Amino acid sequence: DSGVTQTPKHLITATGQRVTLRCSPRSGDLSVYWYQQSLDQGLQFLIQYYNGEERAKGNILERFSAQQFPDLHSELNLSSLELGDSALYFCASNDGGSSYNEQFFGPGTRLTVL
Amino acid sequence: AQSVSQHNHHVILSEAASLELGCNYSYGGTVNLFWYVQYPGQHLQLLLKYFSGDPLVKGIKGFEAEFIKSKFSFNLRKPSVQWSDTAEYFCAVLLGANNLFFGTGTRLTVIP
Repeated sequence: DSGVTQTPKHLITATGQRVTLRCSPRSGDLSVYWYQQSLDQGLQFLIQYYNGEERAKGNILERFSAQQFPDLHSELNLSSLELGDSALYFCASNDGGSSYNEQFFGPGTRLTVL
Repeated sequence: AQSVSQHNHHVILSEAASLELGCNYSYGGTVNLFWYVQYPGQHLQLLLKYFSGDPLVKGIKGFEAEFIKSKFSFNLRKPSVQWSDTAEYFCAVLLGANNLFFGTGTRLTVIP
């Protein structure tokens, strides 16, 4: 157990819908990272938050957004869902502001868009 | 565009065989390199990392990786695999402080 929790474990929804994925980092970690893992693209970095502020952006679509709350949990919002958004979404955390430090990954949320 | 290539998608070995998983990246500047592992049903976890210094890096569970700058490679090795090494292995390159690029992963199956 990495100490990072993600809910829900599975999510099935329809195209055009909006969903919210939730991540709670390890106790004391200030950084949260979101990744998307799909069969054809592998594991892609989406976005990082550090202590409530956006720190870095990767290949995140405009239809996706994230935020980190004062209690440091984070939510990833996916809207206008398309079939291609079906993937495993991972959250990771670490205590530093950068990826130089080991990231601790959650178990992931599997999103299926029908 | 920066990329990380893991050419082996699925590797099947018998116990005690030697392992080498390839990782190549396309970036000309200073890089920091990682190998992460995901055991069945578990979360991704760090196996080893290279920032600078000795290009031969030792990780957990007997794994090591060698950074060869001229070949843009960071291959993962283990002299003798065990059934418990069955997992998916991801190579990653850190560009800047925060942008971690992962390869598509290599699934290793070790047959007892």
